Amino acid sequence: GIQVEQSPPDLILQEGANSTLRCNFSDSVNNLQWFHQNPWGQLINLFYIPSGTKQNGRLSATTVATERYSLLYISSSQTTDSGVYFCAVESGYNNNDMRFGAGTRLTVKP
Amino acid sequence: NAGVTQTPKFRILKIGQSMTLQCTQDMNHNYMYWYRQDPGMGLKLIYYSVGAGITDKGEVPNGYNVSRSTTEDFPLRLELAAPSQTSVYFCASSLPGLAGYNEQFFGPGTRLTVL
Repeated sequence: GIQVEQSPPDLILQEGANSTLRCNFSDSVNNLQWFHQNPWGQLINLFYIPSGTKQNGRLSATTVATERYSLLYISSSQTTDSGVYFCAVESGYNNNDMRFGAGTRLTVKP
Repeated sequence: NAGVTQTPKFRILKIGQSMTLQCTQDMNHNYMYWYRQDPGMGLKLIYYSVGAGITDKGEVPNGYNVSRSTTEDFPLRLELAAPSQTSVYFCASSLPGLAGYNEQFFGPGTRLTVL
């Protein structure tokens, strides 16, 4: 199946700093989603972004499908941004089988 | 809309016991999914359904069964619980659309411990 790699695995930031999280995938994708899993375990949809660029407040994401990667940008980080960020992709050859990366654990310190 | 709801929130089982994890969605989504998340890992797909009466295996289906008799409900059954099934279980749903759109929406999860 499709492989999904996220980097870095862990990231510690001071409040107010910016960061870039990366998601590489091994094959063509139909769908790509970014999620934030908060410290209570809840999965929050951030972006549905199989291609192109989207922005939502301090967060933005870019997917370059032809080069098989996606980036999540967090600007002016806040302590509430802490948690684990997951990238998940649905292969172009195997619909309905969404594969998750191992996540990036972000800690934002006050 | 309540979205995707799951019950129970927490459960402890003894080895060999059985249980059903409940999942309901009120968004009229025709696709539903079950995932498990082991500590420090991403989610893995157990089973999915593209509509009432249709189910299919995902990446890790062994030890589980599902049924889909209505659009709203997608229960997950563990017949003989094993310690390896200790995990957090997430249910999700989606409504595929044009150009391959298939954004999934997740429930709050069920934390299951098998002792």
